[in-house]
Amino acid sequence: ILNVEQSPQSLHVQEGDSTNFTCSFPSSNFYALHWYRWETAKSPEALFVMTLNGDEKKKGRISATLNTKEGYSYLYIKGSQPEDSATYLCASDSNYQLIWGAGTKLIIKP
Amino acid sequence: KAGVTQTPRYLIKTRGQQVTLSCSPISGHRSVSWYQQTPGQGLQFLFEYFSETQRNKGNFPGRFSGRQFSNSRSEMNVSTLELGDSALYLCASSLEGIEQYFGPGTRLTVT
Repeated sequence: ILNVEQSPQSLHVQEGDSTNFTCSFPSSNFYALHWYRWETAKSPEALFVMTLNGDEKKKGRISATLNTKEGYSYLYIKGSQPEDSATYLCASDSNYQLIWGAGTKLIIKP
Repeated sequence: KAGVTQTPRYLIKTRGQQVTLSCSPISGHRSVSWYQQTPGQGLQFLFEYFSETQRNKGNFPGRFSGRQFSNSRSEMNVSTLELGDSALYLCASSLEGIEQYFGPGTRLTVT
């Protein structure tokens, strides 16, 4: 994989349900993997930075895992709430340059 | 601590003109990165400046240039604007180029 790929492109989830999406990145020259949340009309905000294979980070109902050997990261949201509606971006950090995925747009249905 | 600021927030220009966008990073941050975001596309990296030096550059034509001043403020210039340059331009600052803090962006429309 030469680019960072995120799937799915968009996701509709019922309020209260849990969900997850994927970020695939080049596993060579890997330094770090970033997750950002980008709400409409706001700036992207950092969620997690992960560097080690097997890393797992958690912030409230949101968590992320990292597999650097196979080049993927999962973002999980437990018990989705309307305020979770946003585009979730991941970026692979290699040689001080972030390569960004196109994002997963999450819409929470009340 | 004040966040990243960008000016102007909105801009309308005509094809062929040039434009300069400004970014003031968080106090103490020496790294400033610029990104272009168009509908349906992820963030496209333009360049990164660290202590007044361009440290990294993305795959954009030479019409896109930037600079950073001694106070870490950065400017991005686009010459000979094309319709395809219409986009949201984001800048982000960081201490060492790791976790980035984004500004609100400048929405550029080229007509």
